[in-house]
Amino acid sequence: QLQLQESGPGLVKPSETLSLSCSVSGGSISSSGSNWGWIRQPPGKGLEWIGTIYYSGSTFYNPSLKSRVIIFLDTSKNQFSLRLSSVTAADTAVYYCARQPTSVAREFDYWGQGTLVTVSS
Amino acid sequence: QSALTQPPSASGSPGQSVTISCTGSSGDVGGYNYVSWYQQHPGKAPKLMIYEVSKRPSGVPDRFSGSKSGNTASLTVSGLQAEDEADYYCSSYAGRNNVIFGGGTEVTVL
Repeated sequence: QLQLQESGPGLVKPSETLSLSCSVSGGSISSSGSNWGWIRQPPGKGLEWIGTIYYSGSTFYNPSLKSRVIIFLDTSKNQFSLRLSSVTAADTAVYYCARQPTSVAREFDYWGQGTLVTVSS
Repeated sequence: QSALTQPPSASGSPGQSVTISCTGSSGDVGGYNYVSWYQQHPGKAPKLMIYEVSKRPSGVPDRFSGSKSGNTASLTVSGLQAEDEADYYCSSYAGRNNVIFGGGTEVTVL
């Protein structure tokens, strides 16, 4: 059974860079057909797709966040990571990592439990 | 890109059915059969309930069904049970390697 677990600082200062990692167990992030995404949810609000990275390393980002987002794989640790730069209070949210089978068009079938990141000085 | 439009709330009595709509455009819901639905209980991660418009993952009760007509997708929960009370989100592929979500619908079991 595939399991995902987010980790990273719960508090980030405005203008700094948010960094999160997602550890995957029960499968390899390099498996053909498995792609990995980040989704966030501000408190009391809906879900927002941040971006997806393919097992091959190709990346796709939400156009509204593209200038500030990097997603990359760390195959040695079987994890993938998110970096969001120049954060503001509007980036305060629960951040989820999830898997997408086959392509970025597909559903998110396995999710991490989520981690709350607060942007505040 | 704009979020998909969902009603903020829906409700039904135990045993009844409730249907949630998810309206987009020809560039997302209407253009692709990649609509998915997620159930989210308070403080929990979303759970996939429907994918590719009408397919159910293993383990999801057949009380949950999905459909699409034009630019609007729908999720129907039949035989409502107390544990179905949750927030529900739709999502669609929006072309050009983009994914968009709906604003969410809070389902209340009366």
